[in-house]
Amino acid sequence: TQLLEQSPQFLSIQEGENLTVYCNSSSVFSSLQWYRQEPGEGPVLLVTVVTGGEVKKLKRLTFQFGDARKDSSLHITAAQPGDTGLYLCAGAGTGNTGKLIFGQGTTLQVKP
Amino acid sequence: NAGVMQNPRHLVRRRGQEARLRCSPMKGHSHVYWYRQLPEEGLKFMVYLQKENIIDESGMPKERFSAEFPKEGPSILRIQQVVRGDSAAYFCASSPTALDGGTEAFFGQGTRLTVV
Repeated sequence: TQLLEQSPQFLSIQEGENLTVYCNSSSVFSSLQWYRQEPGEGPVLLVTVVTGGEVKKLKRLTFQFGDARKDSSLHITAAQPGDTGLYLCAGAGTGNTGKLIFGQGTTLQVKP
Repeated sequence: NAGVMQNPRHLVRRRGQEARLRCSPMKGHSHVYWYRQLPEEGLKFMVYLQKENIIDESGMPKERFSAEFPKEGPSILRIQQVVRGDSAAYFCASSPTALDGGTEAFFGQGTRLTVV
């Protein structure tokens, strides 16, 4: 069974601080997707990483896929209150498994 | 290009009633996935369907739950004889092909089921 361990589960920081969210697994994933979810809404796709070692940037957000495609990180620089939300990582298994395996999520609160 | 459409957004059912949740995938997407989410938690996989076929239902309870994706019309997640523990947000996602090689899945806004 593939599992994704996401940490930390909760993070409360001041505006302007940096933070990193981690997703780790003992399994290899064909790709890893990061989503952000607002209360009462569905997850919105932020980025997909596919190649081991890949780094993608989305404004102040930097996403990295581990060399072995077992782990990923999301780094936010100079966090703003608008970054507040639930961040979810989800891995797609190798082969036609049909599932996205989700981490437990990181609830981020950025205080002004 | 409309996104994944789910309805209803909110559904209240009494214990013992049936709940029917509908999902229309994005245009051109033939792969549909259902997930369940409890408050402040990640999403738990329930079932994966590809037009008229159930590919993987390993996350779906064996009793009371069923899913279909007919040739015409939306995918339906059906919960019979609902119990309070079924209260959750149910999300549907769709993709154009299977989820490997970087294919992306897009989610609907969910149906929030409350069992009273």
